[in-house]
Amino acid sequence: GDSVTQMEGPVTLSEEAFLTINCTYTATGYPSLFWYVQYPGEGLQLLLKATKADDKGSNKGFEATYRKETTSFHLEKGSVQVSDSAVYFCALSGNRGSTLGRLYFGRGTQLTVWP
Amino acid sequence: EAQVTQNPRYLITVTGKKLTVTCSQNMNHEYMSWYRQDPGLGLRQIYYSMNVEVTDKGDVPEGYKVSRKEKRNFPLILESPSPNQTSLYFCASSLVGFLSTDTQYFGPGTRLTVL
Repeated sequence: GDSVTQMEGPVTLSEEAFLTINCTYTATGYPSLFWYVQYPGEGLQLLLKATKADDKGSNKGFEATYRKETTSFHLEKGSVQVSDSAVYFCALSGNRGSTLGRLYFGRGTQLTVWP
Repeated sequence: EAQVTQNPRYLITVTGKKLTVTCSQNMNHEYMSWYRQDPGLGLRQIYYSMNVEVTDKGDVPEGYKVSRKEKRNFPLILESPSPNQTSLYFCASSLVGFLSTDTQYFGPGTRLTVL
């Protein structure tokens, strides 16, 4: 079935460091891919998404490119800030049959950024 | 303000005592869903609803019930809670559930402890 494998955390970085969080997926057809972020004590909110191959989602300095050939959707940011400390979830949304519209999440990656 | 609300935010109860967690959205969304979040497991879908009076099981439905009598509300019912249902619960909604490109909007979460 559809699934997401996400880089295990936690990840600890200094401010202004480069961030990569790896995400790969397994799915039939052409899913949409998402990164959600969860700040401490809050619910999840959409960070970015890409709905077809080679699309690049971007928001708040974060980017991720939908790579069908490698079934990946890695999250990157060139210079992290303390305020980026959160848990990041990669997710896919199925587009056929019983998976239609359902979100499948990775296990989450805790990011801590130190000043 | 467009939002998903959940009540209560925190709940401590005892084994076997029926409880209901309410979820309401004010965005006229058709699709609503419940997830549970457990350490190291990410988010797993419990139940979802494509529209009023239409509900279906997610990946971990055992021990839970839902109903969708109105478009805006989607309560989660635990008829006989057990300690393994201690978790953080999120309600989410999206505009049209059968579109894989839809963004899901999450509530703030309900932390449930079953003693």
